[in-house]
Amino acid sequence: KAGVTQTPRYLIKTRGQQVTLSCSPISGHRSVSWYQQTPGQGLQFLFEYFSETQRNKGNFPGRFSGRQFSNSRSEMNVSTLELGDSALYLCASSLGGWASGANVLTFGAGSRLTVL
Amino acid sequence: KNQVEQSPQSLIILEGKNCTLQCNYTVSPFSNLRWYKQDTGRGPVSLTIMTFSENTKSNGRYTATLDADTKQSSLHITASQLSDSASYICVVNSFWGGSYIPTFGRGTSLIVHP
Repeated sequence: KAGVTQTPRYLIKTRGQQVTLSCSPISGHRSVSWYQQTPGQGLQFLFEYFSETQRNKGNFPGRFSGRQFSNSRSEMNVSTLELGDSALYLCASSLGGWASGANVLTFGAGSRLTVL
Repeated sequence: KNQVEQSPQSLIILEGKNCTLQCNYTVSPFSNLRWYKQDTGRGPVSLTIMTFSENTKSNGRYTATLDADTKQSSLHITASQLSDSASYICVVNSFWGGSYIPTFGRGTSLIVHP
């Protein structure tokens, strides 16, 4: 079956611009979560969506937002970009819910954002 | 504050040798612990999952251990191969608000030389 697909894979923006990243989860997975990965901080949790609702959110400013559509596809948006937003943004999908193993995350290859 | 500390930060070994990666955590409440392998340019892939009651679990040449009392886990790689060169990330999950909240370690970068 198809894996988690993230688009675009690479993008370059300038400070002050905004960016939207897309994530298509594995078919049947209802949970989509987003992460920021930088060499200095490692992987950091941004937020998680389940059935179009944000269930949990990490410690990121309000410039970082997301949404999930009825087909479980998700987008994240970063507004007023700063140099420090340069990172690899990873999306992961999982079954979600209470079932054992429901939190097995399947990651996409990521979207590498460079802010100039 | 929930934290996951991994050591060493980086490791270089010769092909065929064994190695052990460490993960110490202060995450509460603890739900489970996962080790992920991340190849360069790829997303992380789950290797093992450890719950509170499990002490050891194997996945091929990878063996993970968990000591819930000392809040430590290790990942042992046996007979390393060049393809083991990657970043290994320890993730400790809490269950909160109806979903699992992960806390990530910064990873151990492993390089296997021929």
